[in-house]
Order: sequence, then C-alpha cells, then structure tokens
Amino acid sequence: DIQMTQSPSTLSASIRDRVTITCRASQSISRWLAWYQQKPGKAPKLLIYKATTLERGVPSRFSGSGSGTEFTLTINSLQPDDFATYYCQQYKSSPWTFGLGTKVDIK
Amino acid sequence: EVQLVDSGGGLVRPGRSLRLSCAASGFTFNDYAMHWVRQVPGKGLEWVSGISWNSGTIAYADSVKGRFTISRDNARNSLYLQMNSLRAEDTALYYCAKDITLTGEYFFDSWGQGTLVTVSS
Repeated sequence: DIQMTQSPSTLSASIRDRVTITCRASQSISRWLAWYQQKPGKAPKLLIYKATTLERGVPSRFSGSGSGTEFTLTINSLQPDDFATYYCQQYKSSPWTFGLGTKVDIK
Repeated sequence: EVQLVDSGGGLVRPGRSLRLSCAASGFTFNDYAMHWVRQVPGKGLEWVSGISWNSGTIAYADSVKGRFTISRDNARNSLYLQMNSLRAEDTALYYCAKDITLTGEYFFDSWGQGTLVTVSS
C-alpha cells in the first residue's frame, strides 16, 4: 500500500497568513493526488485534483504543486473560512489512501 | 445540485449485519462510479469500496474484503453497502462519495453527510 504522510499535523496561523501543507507519498504517484478540506461535523470537500487542478468553485487562494512523492497545498492569504482539517489522497493505485490530515487552527 | 443522502447506520452487535444506503440526486447517477469511504470520529479517512457505473468493476479495501458487498441500483439512483460479520474496528462514519468518471478515477468530488455505524456489544 502507498503510505501518505502529511506535515505538520497541526498548524497555527493568522488571517492573511500564507500557509503550506506538505504531503509525501511512500512511492511515486506521478501527479495522482487530491486535496480535501473538512470542517467539524461536515463531509470532506474536494479542493484540488491531479496535484494542481483547482476544483470548480474553489477560491484561487488555494493552489497545489508537486509530483512524484512530494506535494504541497498552499493557501495564500488565509481567510476565516479556511480553518479546517486538510487531507491529501493518492489515486495512483489501490488501495486509495489518505494522509492523516493537517489541522489549521487560529493562532 | 448534487445531493447524496446516506442512511442505514446504527448500533449493532459484533458479528451481525447492517445495510447502508445512499440516495443520489442532482446528477445522472449511472454516468459515474460511486464509493464508500469511512472515518473513525476524530480520525482519518479510509476508502472502503468502489463500484463502476454498470457494476462491472468492483473493488474493496483488504480490511472489508469478503465481509462487505457494494451494489447499486441505477433505476433507483441508489448505492448500497451490505456489511456482514461486523467487527468493533468497523465502527465509523460511513460516507457515500461520487467519482468523476464512469469507471473510476478514485477521487471524490461529492460526498454524503455520512451515516454512523457503531459495532459494540
């Protein structure tokens, strides 16, 4: 199975900060990576797929980069609505696995 | 607007069975593969099972293989998960999730609200 490791597990930030979350795969997944946002008591929401493609309706302050085994999710100018937990997921090979999440909270 | 409504969860004793359902609306159900993803409350996400548009391709996580069965009824716009021989470690919130293609890209652009399954004696 491909292991997905996210860092940090928790990140404290302020409004208008630039935030970067890292996701590492245990083997190359090319660009077969998605990012999700989850708020407490809600289902995950797709933000980015194929490592860099922004899902329709997702604000442009979110961006993704990387390929192979290392990926980043960047939030430019953090907004109040962005405090949430973020998960990466590989879809290169079964079983389709997720990282353990990065919680972004208020500093 | 895509809507997925999960139901069927509850408290069940170890070794018993439960059937989850997902009612879909707002899109052409038989144009997309569908999946079940679970989450232990406060923990991470685990893909459980997926099914292609015509049920021709079905896949399971090793943790549920042989115990869970995914199915769909395109006429009823519904997805199901039959869970047998339930174990305490199956306790989780189960989400129905929509794929972006017929056969499965295996990432998920819409999710249900989840239905909680608790396996306990």
